[in-house]
Amino acid sequence: EIVLTQSPGTLSLSPGERATLSCRASQSVSSSYLAWFQQKPGQAPRLLIYGASSRATGIPDRFSGSGSGTDFTLTISRLEPEDFAVYYCQQYGSSLYSFGQGTKLEIK
Amino acid sequence: QVQLVESGGGLVKPGGSLRLSCAASGFTFSDYYMIWIRQAPGKGLESVSYISGSGTTIYYGDSVKGRFTISRDNAKNSLYLQMNSLKAEDTAVYYCAKRGPQRSFDYWGQGTLVTVSS
Repeated sequence: EIVLTQSPGTLSLSPGERATLSCRASQSVSSSYLAWFQQKPGQAPRLLIYGASSRATGIPDRFSGSGSGTDFTLTISRLEPEDFAVYYCQQYGSSLYSFGQGTKLEIK
Repeated sequence: QVQLVESGGGLVKPGGSLRLSCAASGFTFSDYYMIWIRQAPGKGLESVSYISGSGTTIYYGDSVKGRFTISRDNAKNSLYLQMNSLKAEDTAVYYCAKRGPQRSFDYWGQGTLVTVSS
């Protein structure tokens, strides 16, 4: 099973700043099958990015994804107040889905 | 619009059983893989089980294999999760989700809370 490790665990930034979140896999992941989700308290996760770099429907262009192999990144170019949440990466491989443990993006 | 509505959660004693349901609307249900994902209180996300559109392909996570059974009724646009021999560590919010592009999950229900406690 592929293990996804996200870093940092918590990221403290101010609105308007740039956020860079990392997701590292224990073995190579198909870029086609790497996704990012945002979750706010009391809500279900929301799909942001699929296929490592494609934005889901309705997702603002300040969100972007990149990476390949074992290293993937979610970048939020200019933080808005509503972006402070927990972010998860997710992969699919060998009939298994797995998630990273999450990065909490908090207001500084 | 796509809607997924889970039901069936609640408080159950260790060793007990519970059946979760997920009512789907707004898309051709039989065309899509569906998945159950859970989140223990204050924890991350865990894939529990998924099923193909026809029901012929099924997967279970190691932590629930032999205890949980996923099924679907395409005529009723419904997904189910039969949970037997429940343990305290099964306590979580259970989400159903629709598989989206490139093996992601593009729509999620609001979740239903399962609490296993004596």
